[in-house]
Amino acid sequence: DTGVSQDPRHKITKRGQNVTFRCDPISEHNRLYWYRQTLGQGPEFLTYFQNEAQLEKSRLLSDRFSAERPKGSFSTLEIQRTEQGDSAMYLCASSRTLGGYEQYFGPGTRLTVT
Amino acid sequence: AQKITQTQPGMFVQEKEAVTLDCTYDTSDPSYGLFWYKQPSSGEMIFLIYQGSYDQQNATEGRYSLNFQKARKSANLVISASQLGDSAMYFCAMREYSNAGGTSYGKLTFGQGTILTVHP
Repeated sequence: DTGVSQDPRHKITKRGQNVTFRCDPISEHNRLYWYRQTLGQGPEFLTYFQNEAQLEKSRLLSDRFSAERPKGSFSTLEIQRTEQGDSAMYLCASSRTLGGYEQYFGPGTRLTVT
Repeated sequence: AQKITQTQPGMFVQEKEAVTLDCTYDTSDPSYGLFWYKQPSSGEMIFLIYQGSYDQQNATEGRYSLNFQKARKSANLVISASQLGDSAMYFCAMREYSNAGGTSYGKLTFGQGTILTVHP
């Protein structure tokens, strides 16, 4: 059990550029979540995957955001035409389906948009 | 309306003393779960303890215990014998069930957090 990993850990980009983050969940976990955390706040839910299906998206996820989990394993979160308001920590979490009440979080990707 | 309220922006405690971090929640669902996570300066969210809404006894995990008062809708975290390494941000979170794609799953709603500082 190697834990949830995220890449990159830090990303600095200029406004208007596209960025993509990757999340590798714990291998036997088929549920995957993305959260966003701005400075001084608790994480906020963005989207949820059950295997490869994206089953829920928060209204926080504007049209510039897209998430995928093509083979039901790793997931990517892409932000197009980044804005300064996108600067935040993006956290990925995974859990089991049965008996898996706990969500295990990755270390996060900190995005800074200049 | 705030679903999870943590009223203490910061708390200070002496090493080896006990400390209570407050959390109140709001939900109309009969089935829900309450969590506490620790977030050190490195940023990773570390699971500490879980309490289900139907659990009769308060949850305990080592030095952590959850004081669950269902009628008051509170789920306070008690850390006994504080250590310097306990200094971090602490988040209370609630899982409510949603139905999506024909399955039930739980997304977490977090409070604003409490910064705990342990003094030697």
